[in-house]
Formats: sequence, C-alpha cells, structure tokens
Amino acid sequence: KAGVTQTPRYLIKTRGQQVTLSCSPISGHRSVSWYQQTPGQGLQFLFEYFSETQRNKGNFPGRFSGRQFSNSRSEMNVSTLELGDSALYLCASSFQGFQTEAFFGQGTRLTVV
Amino acid sequence: DAKTTQPTSMDCAEGRAANLPCNHSTISGNEYVYWYRQIHSQGPQYIIHGLKNNETNEMASLIITEDRKSSTLILPHATLRDTAVYYCIVRVASGLNPDMRFGAGTRLTVKP
Repeated sequence: KAGVTQTPRYLIKTRGQQVTLSCSPISGHRSVSWYQQTPGQGLQFLFEYFSETQRNKGNFPGRFSGRQFSNSRSEMNVSTLELGDSALYLCASSFQGFQTEAFFGQGTRLTVV
Repeated sequence: DAKTTQPTSMDCAEGRAANLPCNHSTISGNEYVYWYRQIHSQGPQYIIHGLKNNETNEMASLIITEDRKSSTLILPHATLRDTAVYYCIVRVASGLNPDMRFGAGTRLTVKP
C-alpha cells in the first residue's frame, strides 16, 4: 500500500511569508503527527491530529498551526516565517496514534531566506 | 525532553552484529521502548518496539533488561545500508500523549 506522502518536497520562502505543507497518511490511518527536524534541535514534536481534532501539541509558538480533514489528510501552516523555521518537516501516520508504530513521510525541506 | 540516553556514535564491521544500547532509567510501567532509524535525508523508519519481553522481527532484535531500565537493539548481520541514526524512544502505550520524544540518537556507521 502507498506510504505517507508529503508535498511539496522542497520549498523556499522569504521571511514574513506564510507556508502550508501537506501530508497524506497511509490509507486507514487516522492519526497524523508533525515534527520539525533541525541540525541543532533534532526531531521535535509539533502536534498530532486524530479524527480532525488536535489531540496533543508540542512547545511551538502559535505561528505553527495545523488541521486535519475528514479523509485524514493533514496540513501544517507556518505564518510570519523566520529564518529559524528552516528545517525538515516530517509527518507520521499511525492507525490510532499510540500503541502502534508510526510511519514517516520523506519530509518537506523548507528554507527561509 | 527525551527520556533516553544513547551513545553519540558507534562503528560496526559489515556482516557483524551491531549492538546499540539505550538507557531509560525513568521508564514507567505503561511505557514501551521503540526504536526508529533515520537514513540521511529520509524520514525515520520504524524498527521494533517492546514492553518487557524480548522481541524479534525481520529487521532486528530488542533485548530489554528485567528492570526495564535499559535495552539493546541488535542488528544481527549489519550491512552498509544499515548506516543511519538510530533513535531509542519511550512512549506511553495508551492515553492522549501519543507523541514521541526523540533524543539525539546513535549514529551507526557500518564499515566494509
């Protein structure tokens, strides 16, 4: 079956702009989690959505937001981009979000200039 | 914050077993030990997980000590393609906190 699909794979934005990233989970998976990965901070949890509801949230400012649609696809939005937002953004899908393994997408590499 | 401690890096000869240790001394009774790996520029890949019994699958074996304060991931016959960063994570088995707290991981280099 198809894996987790993230689009776009690469993105370049200017400071102050906003960006929307998309994640299509594995068919049948209802949980989607988002992570930010940078060389300095490693993999950091952003938030998790399950059945269109945000269930858990990491320690990121309100500029980072997300949503999930009825088909379980999820989007992540970052407003007023800063240089420090340059990172690899990964999403992971799982059947229930806990007690089961998560499958990660290839990520979207965002560069803010 | 990550609840695990792993060595920063390890080397292993191709064809030999790679044994990657992880300390999780504050693990609680309802937390599982998960292992993921990340090959350069790709998303993390699930390897194995366990609660208290040793586990084995087609990729690896997981040995958890009786007191559950540490574990070892074993790749029985390491290949060059196993070169990656390996993450040991503890996470609750149920509840409303399904996120995984990744540490820095262990960078495993398999050498010919």
